[in-house]
This record gives sequence, structure tokens and C-alpha cells, in this order.
Amino acid sequence: GENVEQHPSTLSVQEGDSAVIKCTYSDSASNYFPWYKQELGKGPQLIIDIRSNVGEKKDQRIAVTLNKTAKHFSLHITETQPEDSAVYFCAASLNTDKLIFGTGTRLQVFP
Amino acid sequence: DSGVTQTPKHLITATGQRVTLRCSPRSGDLSVYWYQQSLDQGLQFLIQYYNGEERAKGNILERFSAQQFPDLHSELNLSSLELGDSALYFCASSERGVNEAFFGQGTRLTVV
Repeated sequence: GENVEQHPSTLSVQEGDSAVIKCTYSDSASNYFPWYKQELGKGPQLIIDIRSNVGEKKDQRIAVTLNKTAKHFSLHITETQPEDSAVYFCAASLNTDKLIFGTGTRLQVFP
Repeated sequence: DSGVTQTPKHLITATGQRVTLRCSPRSGDLSVYWYQQSLDQGLQFLIQYYNGEERAKGNILERFSAQQFPDLHSELNLSSLELGDSALYFCASSERGVNEAFFGQGTRLTVV
């Protein structure tokens, strides 16, 4: 079955710096790759997603890139702010099937 | 607010007991997914329902079962509870497939 690896497990950055989180998936047929942000005590919140027919997608300070050949995708957050501090999860799925999540990255943004 | 409602928010129960977690999906969403998140762990897929029918199954224990009712709300039943079942249980819903799945706030289950 699908397996998703996520790195790093923790990431600390200074406010204003960029943060990059990387994920690798195993099933080359996977075609949907969302990213979720989970704040303490809350459910995961979808922040951006990308489909396999697109190489890059951007939404304000957040961007996701996908390399289908290497089977990996990354989340880029620019100009980080303290409110970006949270746990971020990548996920992958095939067609309309279940989401398989990575193990999460705890991002801390220091003022 | 994602529009997905889970009740109860917290549940404390003893080993060997049975509990039912409830999920109301967003209006119009036909798919419901259940996930388990243990302390400092990722999200483990349990089961998916689509319009009342089981669609996909993950590593769901035999002690656990779920169903989706005609009004599309779903229930996750956990029986013969063990200490290791203590976790956050999340429900997510989407209109059809897993694209743009929205999560509820979760039910925190503590087994003592």
C-alpha cells in the first residue's frame, strides 16, 4: 500500500525566514497531494493541495511543488510568522481513495 | 469552522467498555472518513463510507466498527476498550472523493 515519509520531524525558524517541508510517497499512481495544518487542540485544516497534472501551486505565502519522477512533493512557507507555528502533515491519495498521511512536522517560528 | 461536527469532544471510560463516537459531515458531503491520532503520532486511516456504503478500510481493529446512516451522519463504535485505544479520533468529510476533505475537531478518548 501507499506509504508517505515526511521530513523533518521538527523545524525551528526565525520570523521572516522561509520553511520547507518535504514528503516522499511510494505509490507512483497517487495523484492528489494535500497539506494540512494542525494547531494544538484542533483538527487538521487543509491549507493547500496539488494534483499530479500540476508541478507547482502557490497561495500567498504558501507554495507546493511536486516532482512525479522522484515521487516527492514539498511545502514552502515564505516570510514565516509566529501564527504559522503548528504541526504540518502531508498526504497522498489515489483517485478518490483514502488519504495516507506523513508523520507530521512540528514547525516553530520564533519572533 | 470546517462544518464537520463531532461529538462528544471528550470521553473518559474504563477498559473493557464500549463507546460510540458521532460525526455529522458538512452539508452535501457524501463521503465520511475516520482517522485515529495517538499521542505524538500521525493520522492513521480507519475506514471510509460513501453515501451509506463502506468504501475503503484501513488498519481498523475488529473491535471497532462504523456505519453511515441515511442522513449521512456516521458513528464509530469502539468496544472492549484497551488503554492503547486512548487517542484522538477524527472524522473528515468530502463531497465525493478524498479531494478537499475537511476535518472535525475530533473526539479525545481516554481509557483508564
